[in-house]
Amino acid sequence: GIQVEQSPPDLILQEGANSTLRCNFSDSVNNLQWFHQNPWGQLINLFYIPSGTKQNGRLSATTVATERYSLLYISSSQTTDSGVYFCAVELFGDAGNMLTFGGGTRLMVKP
Amino acid sequence: DAGVTQSPTHLIKTRGQQVTLRCSPKSGHDTVSWYQQALGQGPQFIFQYYEEEERQRGNFPDRFSGHQFPNYSSELNVNALLLGDSALYLCASSYSYSNQPQHFGDGTRLSIL
Repeated sequence: GIQVEQSPPDLILQEGANSTLRCNFSDSVNNLQWFHQNPWGQLINLFYIPSGTKQNGRLSATTVATERYSLLYISSSQTTDSGVYFCAVELFGDAGNMLTFGGGTRLMVKP
Repeated sequence: DAGVTQSPTHLIKTRGQQVTLRCSPKSGHDTVSWYQQALGQGPQFIFQYYEEEERQRGNFPDRFSGHQFPNYSSELNVNALLLGDSALYLCASSYSYSNQPQHFGDGTRLSIL
């Protein structure tokens, strides 16, 4: 099956700092989503980004499908950004739309 | 516009028991998927239902079964519970006919004693 690797696995930032999270995947994909899982376990949709670049406030994401990676940028981080960030992909040509998740990046933003 | 809703939010069972978890998809969505998330790991795909049939299945034993109703809501059933079934169970819904993102519910946290 498709492999999804995220880096770094853990990240500690001071409030106000910027960061870049990376997601590498091993095969062509139909769909790529970034999620934020808050301390209560809720998975929040951040971006649906199979290719190209999108921005939403302090967050932006870029997927280079031909090179099989995606980046999530967090600028001016806040304590509420803490949690786990997951990248998930749907294999190209898949009959259904099963998502395969990476292992996540655990982010802690200190005040 | 209600999002994906799951019930119950928490559940405690003992080994060998059976459990049923429920999910109502986001309005307009016709496909429901179930995921298991063990502590400290990413969600793992269990199976997906579309048109009341199981369309795709992950690497989970037959103890895990499901159902989709005509109103697109879904149930996940787990028989003969094991300690290792303790996890957060997440339901996701989507619309099958276009490339659209999947939306997740808040999950059911299942603890096995």
